[in-house]
Amino acid sequence: GAGVSQSPSNKVTEKGKDVELRCDPISGHTALYWYRQSLGQGLEFLIYFQGNSAPDKSGLPSDRFSAERTGGSVSTLTIQRTQQEDSAVYLCASSPQGLVYEQYFGPGTRLTVT
Amino acid sequence: AQSVTQLDSHVSVSEGTPVLLRCNYSSSYSPSLFWYVQHPNKGLQLLLKYTSAATLVKGINGFEAEFKKSETSFHLTKPSAHMSDAAEYFCVVSDGNTGFQKLVFGTGTRLLVSP
Repeated sequence: GAGVSQSPSNKVTEKGKDVELRCDPISGHTALYWYRQSLGQGLEFLIYFQGNSAPDKSGLPSDRFSAERTGGSVSTLTIQRTQQEDSAVYLCASSPQGLVYEQYFGPGTRLTVT
Repeated sequence: AQSVTQLDSHVSVSEGTPVLLRCNYSSSYSPSLFWYVQHPNKGLQLLLKYTSAATLVKGINGFEAEFKKSETSFHLTKPSAHMSDAAEYFCVVSDGNTGFQKLVFGTGTRLLVSP
């Protein structure tokens, strides 16, 4: 079946511009996660969705970062006024609800801020 | 807070020789531990997981890991390396105290396999 998909696969933007990154989880997965993978910080958790609500936003690095999820499916991560330190690969994962289930990761969006 | 330490940033082996990737964890209670693999330009894939059942966990592609509470370790092993095993490996702990599977990643170990 279809896995987690993310778009775009690559995004180059100028400093100060806003960007939107999209994640399509596996159908039926109620839990959705965003992570960031960067050279300086490694792989770090950003935000978790259960359905359309986000019980844990503790990993968002600043108020320039926001995310939403609609219809319990697609999620969008928005970065406003991008900075060079936002350059990273942004990964999305989904899973069925529950602590015992595996998270399935998408291929990521590589964001480069120039 | 939960954390994991991967002791080697790079490990080099020859094809056909054993693989050992080391990981130590820190946890205030019984953790769930995972190993993920990331091949170049590919997504993260789960190799295996420990969730308080058997301490020796078998995963895909011949990998296994042993949970040792006394040593706070969860090292990944494979008896015989293949060229296709060359990738980055992440030891991961789940901070289940949050009520969901919040993954905390190690810094990764790059496995190089030479012919």
